[in-house]
Amino acid sequence: AQTVTQSQPEMSVQEAETVTLSCTYDTSESDYYLFWYKQPPSRQMILVIRQEAYKQQNATENRFSVNFQKAAKSFSLKISDSQLGDAAMYFCAYRWDDKIIFGKGTRLHILP
Amino acid sequence: ETGVTQSPTHLIKTRGQQVTLRCSSQSGHNTVSWYQQALGQGPQFIFQYYREEENGRGNFPPRFSGLQFPNYSSELNVNALELDDSALYLCASSSRLERPGQETQYFGPGTRLLVL
Repeated sequence: AQTVTQSQPEMSVQEAETVTLSCTYDTSESDYYLFWYKQPPSRQMILVIRQEAYKQQNATENRFSVNFQKAAKSFSLKISDSQLGDAAMYFCAYRWDDKIIFGKGTRLHILP
Repeated sequence: ETGVTQSPTHLIKTRGQQVTLRCSSQSGHNTVSWYQQALGQGPQFIFQYYREEENGRGNFPPRFSGLQFPNYSSELNVNALELDDSALYLCASSSRLERPGQETQYFGPGTRLLVL
């Protein structure tokens, strides 16, 4: 069965610094998709970044980038130049066919 | 382009009752997925609707059912409510492509259900 593990329940980072959130997953599939979603206190889940497993190149969206290690089944999110608005719950998610599995999330605090 | 909307925002029910939650998908999207998010947890996939038919289901009992309408909006129905059904219910819409799973899901703000 596919699983997604986020081993850091909470993290803190100083404003303008860089932080990395960890995610590992387990699957026997070779073609799938990985996502990072952000859920601020307003509750609305917002897509941060996505990665296709068949692409070796790591996805990047402005200050957000991933380190995708397919063999190690690792998918970490790096946030550069952290801003106060980045404070939220971050969920890693795995999707194959119509199945999508979320991790339990990492709460990110931004320290001014 | 309007985003995904859900109603109501909050709801209180008692054990044994039935509830209907509603979701309007983003313009141009033909697929709706429903998730249950318990407090402090990640969302759990309930089911997905595509072209008015259930197309994929998570590990939820049959008392969780749904509908999708011709305009692609959707309802989630839960019968015989239990205390553990208290959660945030999220819907997400997407435009299904040839390869299932390829499309990006856009989430609504959720309905907070409390079962007493």
